[in-house]
Amino acid sequence: NAGVTQTPKFQVLKTGQSMTLQCAQDMNHEYMSWYRQDPGMGLRLIHYSVGAGITDQGEVPNGYNVSRSTTEDFPLRLLSAAPSQTSVYFCASSSPGLETQYFGPGTRLLVL
Amino acid sequence: QKEVEQDPGPLSVPEGAIVSLNCTYSNSAFQYFMWYRQYSRKGPELLMYTYSSGNKEDGRFTAQVDKSSKYISLFIRDSQPSDSATYLCAMSSAIQGAQKLVFGQGTRLTINP
Repeated sequence: NAGVTQTPKFQVLKTGQSMTLQCAQDMNHEYMSWYRQDPGMGLRLIHYSVGAGITDQGEVPNGYNVSRSTTEDFPLRLLSAAPSQTSVYFCASSSPGLETQYFGPGTRLLVL
Repeated sequence: QKEVEQDPGPLSVPEGAIVSLNCTYSNSAFQYFMWYRQYSRKGPELLMYTYSSGNKEDGRFTAQVDKSSKYISLFIRDSQPSDSATYLCAMSSAIQGAQKLVFGQGTRLTINP
């Protein structure tokens, strides 16, 4: 099992550009989540999904879109990047009854 | 006020010391309490999990939950340089379960040989 994979590892964007952060898991987990990690802020939940076709907002959803068409994939879209979205983004997956979420290796995003 | 507060440190101790990491929280609905360890430039990984109140021990690690005080702790005994990492506490309610965690800010810990 590859677990949770994220691409790209690192990305530089200019203000106003769009991009999609990819996340995939091969553990057949129902739950998937996106977090951002900023210095001194811990991890903050952006969006999450409890199954294919079902998504909901977390603590900091503004500026981000998600969709979940398959169990395996949960992409995060930035429609118009802003410097405030410079961060490290983590995708995670879990299932009911599991005690933890499994995190991917992260995507470092720099918006200039 | 954040729902979960954690002293960000940094914390630096000599090898072999006992380390105490703590978090306080304000949401009385939290029932699941976790400690994650995150090495530099890696994703967090679960270290300890506790449901409701009480203590849990796993090798050199002990997690404590005091729901009456809304306070959780992680103790590391005989600390090793390999324990150097950022430690994040995380919590969730029974309704939200594991898919909607609230994290503390993380404490950066360095164990000096």
